[in-house]
Amino acid sequence: GAVVSQHPSWVICKSGTSVKIECRSLDFQATTMFWYRQFPKQSLMLMATSNEGSKATYEQGVEKDKFLINHASLTLSTLTVTSAHPEDSSFYICSAPARGLAASQETQYFGPGTRLLVL
Amino acid sequence: AQKITQTQPGMFVQEKEAVTLDCTYDTSDPSYGLFWYKQPSSGEMIFLIYQGSYDQQNATEGRYSLNFQKARKSANLVISASQLGDSAMYFCAMKGSGNTGKLIFGQGTTLQVKP
Repeated sequence: GAVVSQHPSWVICKSGTSVKIECRSLDFQATTMFWYRQFPKQSLMLMATSNEGSKATYEQGVEKDKFLINHASLTLSTLTVTSAHPEDSSFYICSAPARGLAASQETQYFGPGTRLLVL
Repeated sequence: AQKITQTQPGMFVQEKEAVTLDCTYDTSDPSYGLFWYKQPSSGEMIFLIYQGSYDQQNATEGRYSLNFQKARKSANLVISASQLGDSAMYFCAMKGSGNTGKLIFGQGTTLQVKP
């Protein structure tokens, strides 16, 4: 089945630094990818929609200058957390939609996630 | 606006028994899709099952089945013959027709399978 990878899986950084997270679709093309954020024992909150060849669409309340998204190719989207602070510590996970065998079948494949800890 | 509600923060089930995880939704879109994902402690999101709003039959995937009641706007997940490895957090999610596929997630249900 379709696979989505994320890198890195873990990152620890100092406050004020920037962190880049990569999301790749390994065996399918994804013109759209999604970035989610998840705090411990909570649900996934959509941050933004990454669009290949155009600007990302951010959800209400998400700072686009803080969370920079670039969809460089049909298989790669990156999320950069700029000037990270401890409150940015979270689990970041990307996803990409893919069609199944049946016309009506659709699913979204998620990357394994990136745990960010800002000290 | 679309909304997904999971009212069971935590559930226990005995190994080998069946368990139902509740999910209700609200949407004005005539076409939508409903998903269930499993999230073990590792954090990965594992796709379990999908139900389209126009699908005539309830979706099934191995030990997972979706009890889709459109009039009640519910899409409960039934796990049969529970296994210890089923212990995880389970999320119900919905995709509307008017977007490129972004999902709205419920609050999640933590399932613990007892030996």
